[in-house]
Amino acid sequence: GDSVTQMEGPVTLSEEAFLTINCTYTATGYPSLFWYVQYPGEGLQLLLKATKADDKGSNKGFEATYRKETTSFHLEKGSVQVSDSAVYFCALSEVGGSNYKLTFGKGTLLTVNP
Amino acid sequence: DAGVIQSPRHEVTEMGQEVTLRCKPISGHDYLFWYRQTMMRGLELLIYFNNNVPIDDSGMPEDRFSAKMPNASFSTLKIQPSEPRDSAVYFCASGQETQYFGPGTRLLVL
Repeated sequence: GDSVTQMEGPVTLSEEAFLTINCTYTATGYPSLFWYVQYPGEGLQLLLKATKADDKGSNKGFEATYRKETTSFHLEKGSVQVSDSAVYFCALSEVGGSNYKLTFGKGTLLTVNP
Repeated sequence: DAGVIQSPRHEVTEMGQEVTLRCKPISGHDYLFWYRQTMMRGLELLIYFNNNVPIDDSGMPEDRFSAKMPNASFSTLKIQPSEPRDSAVYFCASGQETQYFGPGTRLLVL
């Protein structure tokens, strides 16, 4: 079945540091890939997505590129802020039919210190 | 749009009691999803609906859990009887390929 593996947390960085959170996936077809973010006490919010190979999703300074050859979708940000402290989830959705199930990774807690 | 609305936001109950969680999806969204989040198991899909019809309930943990969607603007997730191991945050989401999550209901079963 489909699965998503993302790096174990927690990740602790200083403000303005470079961020990478690794995500790899296993899927039988050609999935769409997502990063969701969960701030404390809130629900998940879509951060960015990519629907086909070599697509780059970007939002709020975060980027991730859909790499089919390495089945990866790593999240990056050049300069993190304290307000980026949250849990980040990588997810995939198989494309086709009426199946919109999301398969999530376990989440990575990011803490950014001033 | 107000986004996905869930109620209550917090629920504390005693083991054996019935618990009902409610969700109002974003207007116009055909799909509605119920998730459970715990530290041990992460985020789990319990059930999802398309046009008010349950499509996949394979994630529902056992018969104590049931979900309904009587119309396009309302869904419930019921646990009867509740057990301490049901303590979790329950999220409702609506949408299709992109899902929009509600703020969640934090359930504590004593």
